Amino acid sequence: AQSVAQPEDQVNVAEGNPLTVKCTYSVSGNPYLFWYVQYPNRGLQFLLKYITGDNLVKGSYGFEAEFNKSQTSFHLKKPSALVSDSALYFCAVRDAGGYQKVTFGTGTKLQVIP
Amino acid sequence: ETGVTQTPRHLVMGMTNKKSLKCEQHLGHNAMYWYKQSAKKPLELMFVYSLEERVENNSVPSRFSPECPNSSHLFLHLHTLQPEDSALYLCASSQDPYSGGTTDTQYFGPGTRLTVL
Repeated sequence: AQSVAQPEDQVNVAEGNPLTVKCTYSVSGNPYLFWYVQYPNRGLQFLLKYITGDNLVKGSYGFEAEFNKSQTSFHLKKPSALVSDSALYFCAVRDAGGYQKVTFGTGTKLQVIP
Repeated sequence: ETGVTQTPRHLVMGMTNKKSLKCEQHLGHNAMYWYKQSAKKPLELMFVYSLEERVENNSVPSRFSPECPNSSHLFLHLHTLQPEDSALYLCASSQDPYSGGTTDTQYFGPGTRLTVL
């Protein structure tokens, strides 16, 4: 079975500071990994995904994520946070080896403080 | 969000009403999904359709009835709902959940905010 964990319900960061939103995963084979963002009363928007290759994945709005196989992690990062980045962030995983639906994490609320 | 549209965006209904939620995807995908998102709870997958065939029904009460007339449209028919059914209902689509080796990235609509009185 596959699973994904987001250990922090909320992350607070000052505007202009770097931000990290944590995600760890478990799959039996190789993973496909995703990050989504959700603004209030809106659907989830796809940010980025890891398939294979370079461990650093760049996505929308200046976000990037680092895949670490040994630590089974896929943390979301941004060098300089904006107040407009405040939203709910979801990590998701899918086993690349066969049919498995995507499993979503419970979400992390990011609050960027002006 | 223009790839997947949902109507209505907001819905208020009584427990005895019958209403339907509509989802349409313009991405040429083969699979569509209904999710329920309640406050302070994980995203709950309700139904999955692949090529208009229901492939998953995650123990959803019968007062929720999905319909997928073609690969571009998905409905969720609602009847005799309970107040605890109040939530944001999200529709998503993806290329093909049965293809091993593809990422099968899901794309979401903006959701319907449902309030049951």
